[in-house]
Amino acid sequence: DQQVKQNSPSLSVQEGRISILNCDYTNSMFDYFLWYKKYPAEGPTFLISISSIKDKNEDGRFTVFLNKSAKHLSLHIVPSQPGDSAVYFCAASATGTASKLTFGTGTRLQVTL
Amino acid sequence: GAGVSQTPSNKVTEKGKYVELRCDPISGHTALYWYRQSLGQGPEFLIYFQGTGAADDSGLPNDRFFAVRPEGSVSTLKIQRTERGDSAVYLCASSQLKLQRSGYTFGSGTRLTVV
Repeated sequence: DQQVKQNSPSLSVQEGRISILNCDYTNSMFDYFLWYKKYPAEGPTFLISISSIKDKNEDGRFTVFLNKSAKHLSLHIVPSQPGDSAVYFCAASATGTASKLTFGTGTRLQVTL
Repeated sequence: GAGVSQTPSNKVTEKGKYVELRCDPISGHTALYWYRQSLGQGPEFLIYFQGTGAADDSGLPNDRFFAVRPEGSVSTLKIQRTERGDSAVYLCASSQLKLQRSGYTFGSGTRLTVV
């Protein structure tokens, strides 16, 4: 039972363009969402988060949008840079189980020159 | 320390053997988590410690898996009678309190291969 889904296993974007990574969830109890970036042979590193009371959070080139009614969130990277090439994981947590993150399967982003 | 340290970085073991994986969290972080990442999957929650006690061990797959954190700092994940299906990257993470807005900090993981 995959409660957090990232349906695109990979994405290729040209440098300077926008990258849009999508994530869907099924558990309506999830109220906090995070994006992590992972390089090979390293642990995931936190990128950006959003609480369910918001619909948008921005941090520099990274913006996360949350659509609660559709149970959908997306990460926008503008402009994309070659160093952004990595695997991106969407994760979610629910109040009361705030210690536990449920991750999606990840999307591999490749930013080409 | 500066980050979450996990040792060993790689471990190859024979089916049926016992293994211990170590996690050294960031100094002062009271919360510690273990996750497992199988090939092509996202990290899956195993267990969460708050201080010395396991506050949530609902992700441990069966009784072959056990974790301790006796002094509230270093943690050891122990796997008995290893099976080939246990092969994965085991990730440890820590945070100052429970999950915060900035998430928690992961180590680089231990890649366990059971042959």
